[in-house]
Amino acid sequence: DAGVIQSPRHEVTEMGQEVTLRCKPISGHNSLFWYRQTMMRGLELLIYFNNNVPIDDSGMPEDRFSAKMPNASFSTLKIQPSEPRDSAVYFCASSFGTSGNNEQFFGPGTRLTVL
Amino acid sequence: SQKIEQNSEALNIQEGKTATLTCNYTNYSPAYLQWYRQDPGRGPVFLLLIRENEKEKRKERLKVTFDTTLKQSLFHITASQPADSATYLCALDDTNAGKSTFGDGTTLTVKP
Repeated sequence: DAGVIQSPRHEVTEMGQEVTLRCKPISGHNSLFWYRQTMMRGLELLIYFNNNVPIDDSGMPEDRFSAKMPNASFSTLKIQPSEPRDSAVYFCASSFGTSGNNEQFFGPGTRLTVL
Repeated sequence: SQKIEQNSEALNIQEGKTATLTCNYTNYSPAYLQWYRQDPGRGPVFLLLIRENEKEKRKERLKVTFDTTLKQSLFHITASQPADSATYLCALDDTNAGKSTFGDGTTLTVKP
């Protein structure tokens, strides 16, 4: 298996533009997680899905952020409109079962820079 | 409020020595605690999981302890090598909430 795949790996955009990050989880995993990592705030969970259903989105910072999982092999995280404070590395992770008692497999991340 | 605290400073040790990293938590009741390794520019990689009813777990040169009374986990790397240099993150769930919360990590540098 290729592991968790994220695209793009790097994204540079201007404030106000829409940004879409993509994730393909490991086949057979039924949980998917979106995290954001910054020096100031560390690794924060934004949202997680179980069997394609959003279970907890309490970490989504505001309405500008939205996430979807239309099927078991694809998820998107959208920021509209983007702001400079959204600059961070965004990781997608997947696991078989919930994350507490199961290993999470992380993708390589998308480094987002909003100018 | 809930808090997870790892070593506040980076850890520098000499090759061959044992590295000990700490993870302290407040206002959590974790059923599980995990340790991950993160290299620059990469996503975290899972190392070990320990359950609340386990005191200690080992994997090759790695050892993790979990003390629910002290609300602390210790992560040991014995016979450390320069290749062990990385940032190590602890993560814990909260009463089977189905999700994990990560600490800020400790950066370990092993000098030859």
